[in-house]
Amino acid sequence: QQQVKQSPQSLIVQKGGISIINCAYENTAFDYFPWYQQFPGKGPALLIAIRPDVSEKKEGRFTISFNKSAKQFSLHIMDSQPGDSATYFCAAIKSQVGGSQGNLIFGKGTKLSVKP
Amino acid sequence: EAQVTQNPRYLITVTGKKLTVTCSQNMNHEYMSWYRQDPGLGLRQIYYSMNVEVTDKGDVPEGYKVSRKEKRNFPLILESPSPNQTSLYFCASSLKPRKGSGYTFGSGTRLTVV
Repeated sequence: QQQVKQSPQSLIVQKGGISIINCAYENTAFDYFPWYQQFPGKGPALLIAIRPDVSEKKEGRFTISFNKSAKQFSLHIMDSQPGDSATYFCAAIKSQVGGSQGNLIFGKGTKLSVKP
Repeated sequence: EAQVTQNPRYLITVTGKKLTVTCSQNMNHEYMSWYRQDPGLGLRQIYYSMNVEVTDKGDVPEGYKVSRKEKRNFPLILESPSPNQTSLYFCASSLKPRKGSGYTFGSGTRLTVV
């Protein structure tokens, strides 16, 4: 059972446009939701993260929107640039004591291509 | 420079020949983990370690072993590799994942088993 569902699988956006990637989760024990960015030949790198007590977090052109009641969160990339072309992974962590606390559960990824 | 170092970066081996992929971090992180990345499947956790001598299975542990004898090292062992273990492998570490500290990933090891 996939615990974090991510869509779309791939996304093509024109330079200057808005890229939107969506994720949904089932387990209400998740309490930390990071996004990772991966360039070809590199490991994933933390981009931005949010906790469920906040509905939105913005860092530069990157914004996470979080809907706790719907168990959904999304990444918005404003003014998308060709340098943003990468694979993006949403993830979730359970931080309660016991079990696999602290383990990142990843979505399947979204390959973003920003056309000049 | 704070980093996670994996070796080798590329490896081609034959079925059944034991191999070890090394992982080392210089950030004094307690938590370390191994993932495999396959097209369309994203990153799936193989094993993780909360601290020295404390390891546990992730989602896809079959065919793999790990050990954590030192805080900085977390090798991934394939005792008898099979072609279905052909994949891109990533090691990651974190200071306090339960507090939401980010994971630092290595650059990956691309393994081909023929």
